[in-house]
Amino acid sequence: AQSVTQLGSHVSVSEGALVLLRCNYSSSVPPYLFWYVQYPNQGLQLLLKYTSAATLVKGINGFEAEFKKSETSFHLTKPSAHMSDAAEYFCAVSSYGNNRLAFGKGNQVVVIP
Amino acid sequence: DAGVIQSPRHEVTEMGQEVTLRCKPISGHNSLFWYRQTMMRGLELLIYFNNNVPIDDSGMPEDRFSAKMPNASFSTLKIQPSEPRDSAVYFCASSPGRGGNQPQHFGDGTRLSIL
Repeated sequence: AQSVTQLGSHVSVSEGALVLLRCNYSSSVPPYLFWYVQYPNQGLQLLLKYTSAATLVKGINGFEAEFKKSETSFHLTKPSAHMSDAAEYFCAVSSYGNNRLAFGKGNQVVVIP
Repeated sequence: DAGVIQSPRHEVTEMGQEVTLRCKPISGHNSLFWYRQTMMRGLELLIYFNNNVPIDDSGMPEDRFSAKMPNASFSTLKIQPSEPRDSAVYFCASSPGRGGNQPQHFGDGTRLSIL
Protein backbone atom coordinates (compact mmCIF):
# COMPACT_ATOMS: atom_id res chain seq x y z
CA ALA A 1 0.00 0.00 0.00
CA GLN A 2 1.13 3.52 -0.70
CA SER A 3 1.18 6.25 1.92
CA VAL A 4 2.37 9.76 2.57
CA THR A 5 3.56 11.38 5.79
CA GLN A 6 3.31 15.09 6.40
CA LEU A 7 4.63 16.21 9.79
CA GLY A 8 3.39 19.26 11.66
CA SER A 9 -0.27 19.92 11.09
CA HIS A 10 0.17 23.69 11.52
CA VAL A 11 3.07 25.64 10.05
CA SER A 12 3.64 29.33 10.74
CA VAL A 13 5.85 31.38 8.45
CA SER A 14 6.62 35.08 8.33
CA GLU A 15 5.71 37.02 5.22
CA GLY A 16 8.74 37.03 2.92
CA ALA A 17 10.33 33.99 4.57
CA LEU A 18 10.96 30.57 3.07
CA VAL A 19 8.04 28.16 3.00
CA LEU A 20 9.10 24.52 3.50
CA LEU A 21 6.56 21.71 3.77
CA ARG A 22 7.88 18.18 4.15
CA CYS A 23 6.43 15.10 2.50
CA ASN A 24 7.78 11.56 2.75
CA TYR A 25 6.19 8.75 0.83
CA SER A 26 6.11 4.98 0.99
CA SER A 27 5.66 3.02 -2.23
CA SER A 28 6.88 -0.35 -3.46
CA VAL A 29 6.69 0.83 -7.08
CA PRO A 30 7.84 4.04 -8.76
CA PRO A 31 5.56 6.76 -7.46
CA TYR A 32 3.71 9.66 -8.96
CA LEU A 33 3.62 12.53 -6.47
CA PHE A 34 1.35 15.54 -6.18
CA TRP A 35 0.95 18.64 -4.07
CA TYR A 36 -2.48 20.19 -3.73
CA VAL A 37 -3.60 23.42 -2.04
CA GLN A 38 -6.99 24.01 -0.42
CA TYR A 39 -8.25 27.52 0.31
CA PRO A 40 -11.14 28.02 2.74
CA ASN A 41 -14.48 26.74 1.45
CA GLN A 42 -12.94 25.46 -1.75
CA GLY A 43 -11.88 22.15 -3.21
CA LEU A 44 -8.30 20.98 -3.65
CA GLN A 45 -6.33 22.60 -6.44
CA LEU A 46 -3.25 21.06 -8.06
CA LEU A 47 -0.02 22.92 -7.29
CA LEU A 48 2.42 20.61 -9.05
CA LYS A 49 3.12 16.98 -9.89
CA TYR A 50 6.05 14.61 -10.37
CA THR A 51 5.52 11.84 -12.93
CA SER A 52 9.06 10.48 -13.52
CA ALA A 53 10.44 13.30 -15.64
CA ALA A 54 12.56 16.10 -14.12
CA THR A 55 13.11 15.65 -10.40
CA LEU A 56 12.76 19.38 -9.71
CA VAL A 57 9.20 20.35 -10.48
CA LYS A 58 7.89 23.89 -10.72
CA GLY A 59 4.27 24.65 -10.03
CA ILE A 60 1.87 27.53 -9.78
CA ASN A 61 2.20 30.53 -7.46
CA GLY A 62 6.00 30.23 -7.23
CA PHE A 63 6.05 26.81 -5.55
CA GLU A 64 8.44 24.02 -6.45
CA ALA A 65 9.23 20.54 -5.16
CA GLU A 66 12.11 18.14 -5.55
CA PHE A 67 11.76 14.39 -5.83
CA LYS A 68 14.53 12.57 -3.94
CA LYS A 69 14.28 8.83 -4.34
CA SER A 70 17.08 8.07 -1.86
CA GLU A 71 15.22 10.00 0.83
CA THR A 72 11.70 8.99 -0.33
CA SER A 73 10.83 12.67 -0.13
CA PHE A 74 8.97 15.29 -2.13
CA HIS A 75 9.28 18.49 -0.09
CA LEU A 76 7.48 21.65 -1.20
CA THR A 77 9.20 25.04 -1.09
CA LYS A 78 8.59 28.67 -1.94
CA PRO A 79 11.37 31.21 -1.46
CA SER A 80 9.22 34.04 -0.16
CA ALA A 81 5.86 33.60 1.54
CA HIS A 82 2.96 35.85 0.65
CA MET A 83 -0.18 36.44 2.68
CA SER A 84 -2.18 34.73 -0.07
CA ASP A 85 -0.27 31.48 0.60
CA ALA A 86 -2.27 30.92 3.79
CA ALA A 87 -4.11 27.66 3.06
CA GLU A 88 -3.94 23.92 3.68
CA TYR A 89 -1.47 21.89 1.65
CA PHE A 90 -1.74 18.18 0.88
CA CYS A 91 0.84 15.79 -0.49
CA ALA A 92 -0.44 12.71 -2.35
CA VAL A 93 0.98 9.59 -4.04
CA SER A 94 -0.21 7.21 -6.74
CA SER A 95 1.50 4.89 -9.22
CA TYR A 96 1.25 3.55 -12.75
CA GLY A 97 -2.11 1.92 -13.37
CA ASN A 98 -3.45 3.07 -10.01
CA ASN A 99 -5.18 6.43 -10.10
CA ARG A 100 -6.31 6.19 -6.50
CA LEU A 101 -4.49 8.91 -4.57
CA ALA A 102 -3.20 8.38 -1.03
CA PHE A 103 -3.24 11.77 0.72
CA GLY A 104 -1.26 13.00 3.69
CA LYS A 105 -3.04 14.64 6.62
CA GLY A 106 -2.20 18.11 5.35
CA ASN A 107 -0.33 21.17 6.62
CA GLN A 108 -2.26 24.29 7.61
CA VAL A 109 0.00 27.23 6.69
CA VAL A 110 -0.38 30.52 8.53
CA VAL A 111 1.47 33.55 7.20
CA ILE A 112 2.43 36.14 9.79
CA PRO A 113 2.66 39.74 8.59
CA ASP B 1 -13.39 25.39 -19.07
CA ALA B 2 -16.04 24.24 -16.66
CA GLY B 3 -14.61 22.42 -13.69
CA VAL B 4 -16.21 19.73 -11.58
CA ILE B 5 -19.64 20.95 -10.51
CA GLN B 6 -21.21 19.84 -7.25
CA SER B 7 -24.64 20.57 -5.87
CA PRO B 8 -25.88 21.64 -3.48
CA ARG B 9 -23.04 23.68 -1.94
CA HIS B 10 -24.65 23.48 1.47
CA GLU B 11 -27.20 21.09 2.91
CA VAL B 12 -28.73 21.16 6.36
CA THR B 13 -31.21 18.45 7.23
CA GLU B 14 -32.53 16.49 10.16
CA MET B 15 -31.34 13.09 11.24
CA GLY B 16 -33.14 10.28 9.44
CA GLN B 17 -33.72 12.19 6.23
CA GLU B 18 -32.40 11.08 2.86
CA VAL B 19 -29.59 13.20 1.43
CA THR B 20 -28.54 13.22 -2.22
CA LEU B 21 -25.35 14.90 -3.36
CA ARG B 22 -24.72 15.48 -7.05
CA CYS B 23 -21.64 15.77 -9.21
CA LYS B 24 -20.96 16.64 -12.83
CA PRO B 25 -17.38 15.71 -13.79
CA ILE B 26 -15.27 17.50 -16.35
CA SER B 27 -16.28 16.50 -19.87
CA GLY B 28 -13.99 13.78 -21.22
CA HIS B 29 -12.81 12.60 -17.82
CA ASN B 30 -13.52 8.93 -17.31
CA SER B 31 -12.61 8.52 -13.64
CA LEU B 32 -14.74 9.95 -10.84
CA PHE B 33 -14.05 9.99 -7.11
CA TRP B 34 -16.12 10.78 -4.01
CA TYR B 35 -14.30 11.97 -0.88
CA ARG B 36 -15.34 12.99 2.60
CA GLN B 37 -13.38 15.54 4.64
CA THR B 38 -13.64 16.03 8.39
CA MET B 39 -11.37 17.59 10.99
CA MET B 40 -10.95 14.28 12.79
CA ARG B 41 -10.34 11.93 9.87
CA GLY B 42 -9.02 14.26 7.17
CA LEU B 43 -9.69 13.41 3.53
CA GLU B 44 -11.14 9.93 2.95
CA LEU B 45 -11.85 8.26 -0.38
CA LEU B 46 -15.34 6.79 -0.32
CA ILE B 47 -15.67 5.29 -3.81
CA TYR B 48 -14.35 5.70 -7.30
CA PHE B 49 -15.68 4.93 -10.77
CA ASN B 50 -13.95 4.30 -14.05
CA ASN B 51 -16.04 4.53 -17.23
CA ASN B 52 -19.16 4.72 -15.02
CA VAL B 53 -18.35 1.41 -13.29
CA PRO B 54 -17.58 1.34 -9.54
CA ILE B 55 -14.01 0.12 -9.11
CA ASP B 56 -13.42 0.45 -5.39
CA ASP B 57 -16.11 1.15 -2.80
CA SER B 58 -14.14 -0.07 0.20
CA GLY B 59 -14.23 3.41 1.71
CA MET B 60 -18.01 3.60 1.89
CA PRO B 61 -18.67 3.68 5.62
CA GLU B 62 -21.76 1.49 5.73
CA ASP B 63 -24.86 0.42 3.86
CA ARG B 64 -26.52 3.76 4.46
CA PHE B 65 -24.22 5.17 1.80
CA SER B 66 -24.68 4.44 -1.89
CA ALA B 67 -23.28 5.97 -5.07
CA LYS B 68 -24.29 5.74 -8.70
CA MET B 69 -22.97 6.93 -12.00
CA PRO B 70 -25.71 6.42 -14.59
CA ASN B 71 -23.73 8.15 -17.34
CA ALA B 72 -20.40 9.84 -17.99
CA SER B 73 -21.65 13.27 -16.98
CA PHE B 74 -23.44 12.64 -13.70
CA SER B 75 -22.97 10.91 -10.38
CA THR B 76 -24.85 10.87 -7.08
CA LEU B 77 -23.91 10.02 -3.52
CA LYS B 78 -26.88 9.15 -1.34
CA ILE B 79 -27.14 8.76 2.41
CA GLN B 80 -30.28 7.11 3.77
CA PRO B 81 -31.00 7.48 6.62
CA SER B 82 -28.63 10.29 7.54
CA GLU B 83 -27.02 10.59 10.98
CA PRO B 84 -25.26 13.50 12.74
CA ARG B 85 -21.88 11.74 12.34
CA ASP B 86 -22.28 12.05 8.56
CA SER B 87 -21.77 15.80 8.87
CA ALA B 88 -18.73 16.66 6.73
CA VAL B 89 -17.66 18.25 3.48
CA TYR B 90 -18.11 15.87 0.56
CA PHE B 91 -15.96 16.36 -2.51
CA CYS B 92 -16.26 14.97 -5.98
CA ALA B 93 -13.19 14.80 -8.25
CA SER B 94 -12.55 13.61 -11.77
CA SER B 95 -9.48 12.70 -13.80
CA PRO B 96 -8.83 11.94 -17.47
CA GLY B 97 -7.57 8.36 -17.17
CA ARG B 98 -6.40 5.39 -15.17
CA GLY B 99 -2.69 5.90 -15.70
CA GLY B 100 -2.09 7.21 -12.20
CA ASN B 101 -0.10 10.17 -13.50
CA GLN B 102 -3.17 12.25 -14.22
CA PRO B 103 -4.12 14.72 -11.48
CA GLN B 104 -7.58 14.73 -10.00
CA HIS B 105 -9.68 17.86 -10.40
CA PHE B 106 -11.87 18.69 -7.43
CA GLY B 107 -15.22 20.40 -7.13
CA ASP B 108 -15.87 22.97 -4.41
CA GLY B 109 -17.64 20.43 -2.24
CA THR B 110 -20.97 20.06 -0.46
CA ARG B 111 -20.98 21.07 3.19
CA LEU B 112 -23.43 18.70 4.87
CA SER B 113 -24.85 19.26 8.34
CA ILE B 114 -27.11 16.64 9.91
CA LEU B 115 -28.98 17.94 12.94
